[in-house]
Amino acid sequence: AQKVTQAQTEISVVEKEDVTLDCVYETRDTTYYLFWYKQPPSGELVFLIRRNSFDEQNEISGRYSWNFQKSTSSFNFTITASQVVDSAVYFCALSEAGDYKLSFGAGTTVTVRA
Amino acid sequence: GAVVSQHPSWVICKSGTSVKIECRSLDFQATTMFWYRQFPKQSLMLMATSNEGSKATYEQGVEKDKFLINHASLTLSTLTVTSAHPEDSSFYICSAGVHQSNQPQHFGDGTRLSIL
Repeated sequence: AQKVTQAQTEISVVEKEDVTLDCVYETRDTTYYLFWYKQPPSGELVFLIRRNSFDEQNEISGRYSWNFQKSTSSFNFTITASQVVDSAVYFCALSEAGDYKLSFGAGTTVTVRA
Repeated sequence: GAVVSQHPSWVICKSGTSVKIECRSLDFQATTMFWYRQFPKQSLMLMATSNEGSKATYEQGVEKDKFLINHASLTLSTLTVTSAHPEDSSFYICSAGVHQSNQPQHFGDGTRLSIL
């Protein structure tokens, strides 16, 4: 069963627009971790954030912000004032307690046009 | 931050060749390493979990005799694609971490494997 769903396959925006990436997860564990990774065209995975299931505080890091809502099992990611360098594939991932394995969503390709 | 080095970054070889990919944790001792495969425009799929000093645990559908994993030390795991064929062409990426350390995995930069 799909544990992480990223319904948006591709998003295209013009520079300076905001873009929100959706992530919905599924788990029976009460303790788990959620992640966002960026994969630019060069292929490496860039770690963006990790959030544990007991910390529902939203987080902001520069132009990035994350909204974690356990009630809807969502962990959405917003890029504010997007830039061309933000163009990449973004993956949401889940790690369940005691497992340490990551289950990745299908990824959302973000294209930011100048 | 922690660094994981993956080598080679790119390899092209003939069908039937065996290819070895190395994954090294450079500044920490990794009790657990993971190997993922990613086909073009697809997500990362976990192939196997490798714990130092023990046999790797393979995910369903992954042939253990095809993809040999060795994790002989706390800083090195290797993935050998035996008798590679064109359908094995993919992007292989490793990650390393310390299980139950409360720290996230660290990923290598990946290896692009092309089998002709």
